[in-house]
Amino acid sequence: DQQVKQNSPSLSVQEGRISILNCDYTNSMFDYFLWYKKYPAEGPTFLISISSIKDKNEDGRFTVFLNKSAKHLSLHIVPSQPGDSAVYFCAASDSGAGSYQLTFGKGTKLSVIP
Amino acid sequence: EPEVTQTPSHQVTQMGQEVILRCVPISNHLYFYWYRQILGQKVEFLVSFYNNEISEKSEIFDDQFSVERPDGSNFTLKIRSTKLEDSAMYFCASGAGTAYEQYFGPGTRLTVT
Repeated sequence: DQQVKQNSPSLSVQEGRISILNCDYTNSMFDYFLWYKKYPAEGPTFLISISSIKDKNEDGRFTVFLNKSAKHLSLHIVPSQPGDSAVYFCAASDSGAGSYQLTFGKGTKLSVIP
Repeated sequence: EPEVTQTPSHQVTQMGQEVILRCVPISNHLYFYWYRQILGQKVEFLVSFYNNEISEKSEIFDDQFSVERPDGSNFTLKIRSTKLEDSAMYFCASGAGTAYEQYFGPGTRLTVT
């Protein structure tokens, strides 16, 4: 039961260019979305989040876009840097259920090539 | 910057043995969580804990699992009788108040032989 899907297991991008990571969800009750970055042998690191009342949230080089009608969100990293190379997880929660439980996608491995 | 810490980083145990995984959440956080990631699979929610009691648990979190906050700083996950399929990375996370962002520790790799 994949309620959160990241269909691209990997992505390679040239340094300085834009990285676009995609995420789709099936549960229409999800109303809060988060992106995490994970390096090997470390825990997921929170990057950026967005509530369903917004369609865009920006923090420095990171921007998350939410398209509720398509049940799709994306993370844009501009410009991409070699240090951004990691696995990126999309996660979602259903706050209406009073639940803080996060449902994760399988992740996309981003490689930024110098 | 405050961070979640976990010990040990790697635990090897024999099937049927009890293990306790330890976590120190960020000090002013009120919500505590355990997740696990089996190799090659996605991160899965196990349990959440608030106000000294379990607030949510997944179907993975059966009677073999328990959580405790024995003092003001530690948060533990106990597996009473480990099975081979319990081998995974176990992540502790904590969150503040009404914020939904959860901050994860580095994980404990549990290997059951």
